[in-house]
Amino acid sequence: DSGVTQTPKHLITATGQRVTLRCSPRSGDLSVYWYQQSLDQGLQFLIQYYNGEERAKGNILERFSAQQFPDLHSELNLSSLELGDSALYFCASSSMGVYNEQFFGPGTRLTVL
Amino acid sequence: AQTVTQSQPEMSVQEAETVTLSCTYDTSESDYYLFWYKQPPSRQMILVIRQEAYKQQNATENRFSVNFQKAAKSFSLKISDSQLGDAAMYFCAYRSVNRDDKIIFGKGTRLHILP
Repeated sequence: DSGVTQTPKHLITATGQRVTLRCSPRSGDLSVYWYQQSLDQGLQFLIQYYNGEERAKGNILERFSAQQFPDLHSELNLSSLELGDSALYFCASSSMGVYNEQFFGPGTRLTVL
Repeated sequence: AQTVTQSQPEMSVQEAETVTLSCTYDTSESDYYLFWYKQPPSRQMILVIRQEAYKQQNATENRFSVNFQKAAKSFSLKISDSQLGDAAMYFCAYRSVNRDDKIIFGKGTRLHILP
């Protein structure tokens, strides 16, 4: 158990819908990262937040957005969903230690029908 | 931009034997971290081993060791005495030293353990 929690575990929805994925980082970790794992694109970095502020953006679509709240949990919002958005979405958190090691949550499996 | 390449999509090894997974990367940075992550069927991402680029000594964690060749930008993972529980997807990954940067992953190598 990494200490990072993600809800829900599984999500099935239809094209055009909007969903919210939630992540709670390890206690004390200020950084949260979102990654998408799909069959064709592999594991890709989407976005990073640090203590409530966006720090870095990767290959995140405009239909996707995220935020980090004062209690440091983070939400990834996916809208106007398409079949190709079906993937495993990971959240990771890190502290500002020597290695800044990222600890991964169990992931949310999103299926768009 | 940094890239990570794993040229072996799948590999198989007999139980108790040794297997080496290959990884190459490209970067213009002189200091960085390299990782091997394991993803079993549960889908959890598990850190197997870490290597700091400034360290010449190869990292070792029990049955797992790496061969880090900085000049060649090569970072292979050796698994000794392979066990059935080692069956998983293995990802080679890169991260810059700059603050807490994103991780760049290779496409992965699926490792099968033959009983």
